[in-house]
Amino acid sequence: QQPVQSPQAVILREGEDAVINCSSSKALYSVHWYRQKHGEAPVFLMILLKGGEQKGHEKISASFNEKKQQSSLYLTASQLSYSGTYFCGTAGSGSARQLTFGSGTQLTVLP
Amino acid sequence: KAGVTQTPRYLIKTRGQQVTLSCSPISGHRSVSWYQQTPGQGLQFLFEYFSETQRNKGNFPGRFSGRQFSNSRSEMNVSTLELGDSALYLCASSPEGQRNSPLHFGNGTRLTVT
Repeated sequence: QQPVQSPQAVILREGEDAVINCSSSKALYSVHWYRQKHGEAPVFLMILLKGGEQKGHEKISASFNEKKQQSSLYLTASQLSYSGTYFCGTAGSGSARQLTFGSGTQLTVLP
Repeated sequence: KAGVTQTPRYLIKTRGQQVTLSCSPISGHRSVSWYQQTPGQGLQFLFEYFSETQRNKGNFPGRFSGRQFSNSRSEMNVSTLELGDSALYLCASSPEGQRNSPLHFGNGTRLTVT
């Protein structure tokens, strides 16, 4: 089942902070975050694994609440380059290993 | 390291035809996944191949098929094309698989069915 992302869209000024949420109805093994700019491929930002392990970029932070099956991506001191659509992808704890992506959050950073 | 390469970048086909898309993963990556991206449905999982075996499959009709070669390169085939198959098809590779390692996406193949 597709995870639910919120908000669907957000507009910021440079330097402001944003939080994007991802919620699933199933038990999760991992949560991935990707950013896609218009006309480009999605780019990996962060992966959070059950048990607390994280892999990702230094300037991006995220949390994973295993009990609530929720993840949040924190964008601090946003820059113009942060604009794009952010997708979370979730993988369940069962035998199915595929990533199911949310519908995306469109982030626009204005000067 | 070279990134994920998808060919061709653009394709225009007619309803009823078939099409083959190609994906060369990052060297050393054994897992290749395919996604269909449309404005209405977002990123939808097609299938994943790992060491030449299909490991996972999404909810797409049998007209969508794929394979992976011994060098990890992958192809996706769509037969009897329908208008609704128009989409951006993305290929992604990873060292171990989708669940616990980052996906590296190619730039995609834009398929238009007329």
